[in-house]
Amino acid sequence: DIQMTQSPSTLSASVGDRVNITCRASQNIENWLAWYQQKPGKAPKLLIYKASSLESGVPSRFSGSGSGTEFTLTINSLQPADFATYYCQHCKTYFSFGGGTKVEIK
Amino acid sequence: QVQLQESGPGLVKPSQTLSLTCTVSDASVRNEDFYWGWIRQSPGEGLEWIGHIYYSGTTYYNPSLQSRVSISVDTRRNELSLRLGSVTAADTAVYYCGRVKWWAFDVWGPGTVVTVSS
Repeated sequence: DIQMTQSPSTLSASVGDRVNITCRASQNIENWLAWYQQKPGKAPKLLIYKASSLESGVPSRFSGSGSGTEFTLTINSLQPADFATYYCQHCKTYFSFGGGTKVEIK
Repeated sequence: QVQLQESGPGLVKPSQTLSLTCTVSDASVRNEDFYWGWIRQSPGEGLEWIGHIYYSGTTYYNPSLQSRVSISVDTRRNELSLRLGSVTAADTAVYYCGRVKWWAFDVWGPGTVVTVSS
């Protein structure tokens, strides 16, 4: 099984900050990685698929990079609506999610 | 606008089978571009992939659940279903159905809470 490890588990940031969240895979998953945003009591929302493709309707301040085993979600100029929990998900045949990163207000 | 809606019992007794349905609106489960799947989230925990299915019946299951889970699709009713057997309190969770595009869940239902308790 492919394990996904996210870091950090919690991140404190201010509005306007640039934020990076890392996801590491236990083996090579090429670019088969997605990123989601989840707010309390809501279903997750897809942000990025295939490691770096921005989902339609998602603000351009969100970007994804990486391939193989190391991936990064970057949020440029953090907005109030961006305080949420973020999950990565590998999607190479069988899926699994990372443990999540909570972005909270500093 | 594609919409998904989960439905089913909110309370299931231990050792019984959990059964949920996901109704798909404004899209066809027969669309060759998509898979359809289930994800769950235990209280205060992260997301767990359960499995996904193609309209032809091809399925992929989480190995940790494979012995207890079954996902099916009904193309006439435009629905997908989840069955999880021999449930315990550890199966208490919010269950989501979702559409899979480019191997990511691009559309999600609002989720349904299932509690396993006697």
